[in-house]
Amino acid sequence: EPEVTQTPSHQVTQMGQEVILRCVPISNHLYFYWYRQILGQKVEFLVSFYNNEISEKSEIFDDQFSVERPDGSNFTLKIRSTKLEDSAMYFCASSAIVRDTEAFFGQGTRLTVV
Amino acid sequence: ILNVEQSPQSLHVQEGDSTNFTCSFPSSNFYALHWYRWETAKSPEALFVMTLNGDEKKKGRISATLNTKEGYSYLYIKGSQPEDSATYLCAYTTGGGNKLTFGTGTQLKVEL
Repeated sequence: EPEVTQTPSHQVTQMGQEVILRCVPISNHLYFYWYRQILGQKVEFLVSFYNNEISEKSEIFDDQFSVERPDGSNFTLKIRSTKLEDSAMYFCASSAIVRDTEAFFGQGTRLTVV
Repeated sequence: ILNVEQSPQSLHVQEGDSTNFTCSFPSSNFYALHWYRWETAKSPEALFVMTLNGDEKKKGRISATLNTKEGYSYLYIKGSQPEDSATYLCAYTTGGGNKLTFGTGTQLKVEL
């Protein structure tokens, strides 16, 4: 069964460092997303990406964040200068073009900023 | 309702019990309601997507209903099994886009 894969599963980084979280969405999907869950809080939307551009972003997704689809398979989230409050589980998801279809999630990357 | 709310927050049931959870969401500009099942260390797994008022969906022992006019959805599990232990998340989308707005989840523990 096709699945969304994320690497690494866990990353520890020092405050102020740049991190890149990687995702391989399901191959025939066209919408890609990043969500995160800070421990004890709701899963929250960061950004959606379609046709090689951001289609929607939340207020969390400020200038420190960027997304890229560098080739036909990978989808990355970059955090330029990490803060302690960026520590969270980051989920990548993808969906087919039709809006009322399910989004498929990866297993997540646990980011710990120290 | 301004946000997605789920109740109860957690639930312990015995194997064989039937149970249900509630998801409340804003009814204005509603587009779709999603239910996910999330086991620890695994990906959230999509259970249902519902869009129409009165929708009912079923997958094995799990079913869900949708009331878009009053802004709620119920998830039912019949004859709970230990493997049903997970966090059940609901999320909705609005007419404006694809982003999912999640509730806090209901953590279910099924005991032998």
